Amino acid sequence: ETGVTQSPTHLIKTRGQQVTLRCSSQSGHNTVSWYQQALGQGPQFIFQYYREEENGRGNFPPRFSGLQFPNYSSELNVNALELDDSALYLCASSWSPGSPLHFGNGTRLTVT
Amino acid sequence: AQTVTQSQPEMSVQEAETVTLSCTYDTSESNYYLFWYKQPPSRQMILVIRQEAYKQQNATENRFSVNFQKAAKSFSLKISDSQLGDTAMYFCASEPGTYKYIFGTGTRLKVLA
Repeated sequence: ETGVTQSPTHLIKTRGQQVTLRCSSQSGHNTVSWYQQALGQGPQFIFQYYREEENGRGNFPPRFSGLQFPNYSSELNVNALELDDSALYLCASSWSPGSPLHFGNGTRLTVT
Repeated sequence: AQTVTQSQPEMSVQEAETVTLSCTYDTSESNYYLFWYKQPPSRQMILVIRQEAYKQQNATENRFSVNFQKAAKSFSLKISDSQLGDTAMYFCASEPGTYKYIFGTGTRLKVLA
């Protein structure tokens, strides 16, 4: 079975720009969660999607938004980038909202 | 607030020795899950072990085992026969029935040859 893949691996953006990060979930997993991991910190929950609907959200502003597609792919969109958005963004998929997460390798976003 | 605390920022252990990583958590939920994840330099978070709070028996996975003390809200990870490939960041996490994981700040473990 294929694992969770994320693209791109690294990304550099300028403050104020918009960015889209992509994730391909493990086959059969209908739940995807996104986490932000700042340098030296543990991951923080952004939101979760289950069967293409948002199923929970952490303490992140509305400029963080997401989409989940029927083909097990998903996107994280961030508008009006700020310097503090610089972090590793992790995508994780699971069979259902409560089952163990399988993580991808992350996208390292740098905002200058 | 739900929190997870890892009080050991860094640890080291000699190859083949045993090491224990500490974790405490706080939750008001009666049913929840606890996890240990490993994050090597490749950045991918890998599930090491999972514990269901309603199970009193401590989880084990080969060389990895936990000491789950529910009343004390403590969840430590023991790695036996440490190997060089165990070198990584280790994160403790809770899932208090809300589908979102709450992670600690991690412990950097270095296994010495």
